[in-house]
Amino acid sequence: DTAVSQTPKYLVTQMGNDKSIKCEQNLGHDTMYWYKQDSKKFLKIMFSYNNKELIINETVPNRFSPKSPDKAHLNLHINSLELGDSAVYFCASSLRHADTQYFGPGTRLTVL
Amino acid sequence: GIQVEQSPPDLILQEGANSTLRCNFSDSVNNLQWFHQNPWGQLINLFYIPSGTKQNGRLSATTVATERYSLLYISSSQTTDSGVYFCAVEGQGGSEKLVFGKGTKLTVNP
Repeated sequence: DTAVSQTPKYLVTQMGNDKSIKCEQNLGHDTMYWYKQDSKKFLKIMFSYNNKELIINETVPNRFSPKSPDKAHLNLHINSLELGDSAVYFCASSLRHADTQYFGPGTRLTVL
Repeated sequence: GIQVEQSPPDLILQEGANSTLRCNFSDSVNNLQWFHQNPWGQLINLFYIPSGTKQNGRLSATTVATERYSLLYISSSQTTDSGVYFCAVEGQGGSEKLVFGKGTKLTVNP
């Protein structure tokens, strides 16, 4: 049973394209997150949702738009992809804010 | 915002050795978590430990909140312990976000 799942696992695309990454958690958690891990393995939060409401929106280009259709899902849509968007994107969830976070397997995005 | 420093940045051990990883943080914290990222990229939560001591098998962690540091102990290391260990903290200032350190890369040789 996968607790936090992401699709796709790998995404290779051309500059300028629009792409989406999907995340689902079956843990019954209220809070979900998107993180970006760069080539130096540095992890930084991008967004956080609690019960479908956006609570954290870091300094992220507005080409990135999260959407939470329900508590169990948090998707990330990226418009006009740029070379610098290449990274691994992780989804995570926690029972409530400030609780133990559980990470998905990551989506490796490569922009050519 | 809160700063997180982990040391050492790299550590190489022989199987069976013990090690201590350190995480220093610049302000009081509500939340401190240790994660292991294995060589395949999966991030696993090891401990939620804003204060006190916890143990899980060969791993244990101690956070001394008043002195703003946390330690992760790995005993009798195995090759499967290899990977990057991250400390992440949330400051008491109400930022509501975990700030990650740069990690300690551990290599355990057989």
